[in-house]
Amino acid sequence: DGGITQSPKYLFRKEGQNVTLSCEQNLNHDAMYWYRQDPGQGLRLIYYSQIVNDFQKGDIAEGYSVSREKKESFPLTVTSAQKNPTAFYLCASSSRTGTQPQHFGDGTRLSIL
Amino acid sequence: GQQLNQSPQSMFIQEGEDVSMNCTSSSIFNTWLWYKQEPGEGPVLLIALYKAGELTSNGRLTAQFGITRKDSFLNISASIPSDVGIYFCAGQPPTNSGYALNFGKGTSLLVTP
Repeated sequence: DGGITQSPKYLFRKEGQNVTLSCEQNLNHDAMYWYRQDPGQGLRLIYYSQIVNDFQKGDIAEGYSVSREKKESFPLTVTSAQKNPTAFYLCASSSRTGTQPQHFGDGTRLSIL
Repeated sequence: GQQLNQSPQSMFIQEGEDVSMNCTSSSIFNTWLWYKQEPGEGPVLLIALYKAGELTSNGRLTAQFGITRKDSFLNISASIPSDVGIYFCAGQPPTNSGYALNFGKGTSLLVTP
């Protein structure tokens, strides 16, 4: 089945540690996105990428980094500079032209030890 | 990106009742989307709207793209217990971050048998 796979489902981070969240899609979508969701809040955009080897900051990029070496993959690194990383992280993808709606993975819940 | 104004924040209804929720923005959007999210999962697309005035149904769900392009509503008829979840509106502005979406804060729906 075509879809978006996020891993791991749950992740724990120690103070001062970087962690990487995986996102893989087999929908042949050019564009991929990372959102952060906090309780009672809507989704907020962290980073997005429209094509391989290119990505742009979203509204809350500080403390995060991404790479887009392959069309299928868009990993997100939560760095130690992100002081409040506990949240639910969602990856999405869509066609580059935006004529198709975004589809989401099942998310990764990150917590601090 | 701008966060959309979604209301109501929560609804507690009896099975069989109809539900209505809406989303407004201070600026225009090219696309309105409605998603449903269940605990620990990613949002699932319910309805996508691409044209001002468009009215689209998906089973018991009906959504409309407002004529002003600044609002949208979602109706659920004859609610059932499995309708429980958080419903998000999302909009895609004309000039934005690579077709990334702006989200409302969600409407939490509880349905009692």
